[in-house]
Amino acid sequence: AQKVTQAQTEISVVEKEDVTLDCVYETRDTTYYLFWYKQPPSGELVFLIRRNSFDEQNEISGRYSWNFQKSTSSFNFTITASQVVDSAVYFCALSGFTGGGNKLTFGTGTQLKVEL
Amino acid sequence: EAGVTQFPSHSVIEKGQTVTLRCDPISGHDNLYWYRRVMGKEIKFLLHFVKESKQDESGMPNNRFLAERTGGTYSTLKVQPAELEDSGVYFCASSQGAPGNSGNTIYFGEGSWLTVV
Repeated sequence: AQKVTQAQTEISVVEKEDVTLDCVYETRDTTYYLFWYKQPPSGELVFLIRRNSFDEQNEISGRYSWNFQKSTSSFNFTITASQVVDSAVYFCALSGFTGGGNKLTFGTGTQLKVEL
Repeated sequence: EAGVTQFPSHSVIEKGQTVTLRCDPISGHDNLYWYRRVMGKEIKFLLHFVKESKQDESGMPNNRFLAERTGGTYSTLKVQPAELEDSGVYFCASSQGAPGNSGNTIYFGEGSWLTVV
């Protein structure tokens, strides 16, 4: 079975602080994809990144960076110099060939609050 | 290009009533998905359409839920009769191909917030 764990339910930081959101996953698939989505107060789930299991290279996009470590089954997300607009719920998700590769298995989400 | 759109955005109904949620996927996306998030829990897969065919409906909770996608365009999700535990956010999503295939990303709508009282 596939499982995604986001142990941090809620994180509060002050603007300009760096913050890391943890994601640990479980899967028996050797080929799989990991995702991060952001859900701002408006409700829409906004796609942030997709990473396949064969590419462990870390990625940076502006203030966002992702650290994929297969050895620890983790795909952590760091926001550098956080801003109030980063306040949202962030979901980590996994898609593997178990179940046909068509489903996303989500974590429970991490509520990030960035205050002035 | 329009994203995934869902209607209604919010709905409050009484237990035993019927509600129909609608989803318009991104134009050209053959794959359409329904997901649900019950308060405080993870977002869970309900079902997956490829065009008008149900590819996987293993996540549908029970037979009070009926999803259709006539003509392979928009989709509806009907809950009849609604129960209190059906309250939550129902997300629709679409993709060109399956998320397990390289290059395919699932795009989500804003969700339909359902409250059953």
